[in-house]
Amino acid sequence: DGGITQSPKYLFRKEGQNVTLSCEQNLNHDAMYWYRQDPGQGLRLIYYSQIVNDFQKGDIAEGYSVSREKKESFPLTVTSAQKNPTAFYLCASSVTGPGTDTQYFGPGTRLTVL
Amino acid sequence: RKEVEQDPGPFNVPEGATVAFNCTYSNSASQSFFWYRQDCRKEPKLLMSVYSSGNEDGRFTAQLNRASQYISLLIRDSKLSDSATYLCVFFSGSARQLTFGSGTQLTVLP
Repeated sequence: DGGITQSPKYLFRKEGQNVTLSCEQNLNHDAMYWYRQDPGQGLRLIYYSQIVNDFQKGDIAEGYSVSREKKESFPLTVTSAQKNPTAFYLCASSVTGPGTDTQYFGPGTRLTVL
Repeated sequence: RKEVEQDPGPFNVPEGATVAFNCTYSNSASQSFFWYRQDCRKEPKLLMSVYSSGNEDGRFTAQLNRASQYISLLIRDSKLSDSATYLCVFFSGSARQLTFGSGTQLTVLP
């Protein structure tokens, strides 16, 4: 079955630690995205990538880093510089860019900083 | 003014009711419009795109009013399974990214 997988589903981190969230897709999509969702708020774009080895900052990139070494994979690292990292993190992909193609979302990772 | 404004609800309606949500946007350059559905603690999923001429998909009707800068979603004959949060989403070519509303929560009651 084609789709997007994210792991882990739940993640607990101590303050000051970096943590990497996994996102894999087998839809052969060129574009991938990372969003953050806080309670009662809309999704906010952290980073996106439209092609391998290239990515762009979104609205709230500070304290995060990404890589896109393979088309299928777009891991997100939440660094200790991110001041309020507890949130629901969603990865998405689309055939090409964000404009007209449907974005398909993974099941998300809930990160809690203890 | 916020880029996207949605009434957060909650909207509590009985089964079979008709319910409508509006969503206003401030960026007049917005080019594409969508409604996504998000179940509790799940990922958003595309419900329908919104076209200038309006479009219908079964019990769901979406409309766009560019002059007043809002989109709407009408749900007829509500089902219990329609209970979810509905997110309005816009794409702006200048920003080259999707902008998500914070969502309207709908609960359909038996």
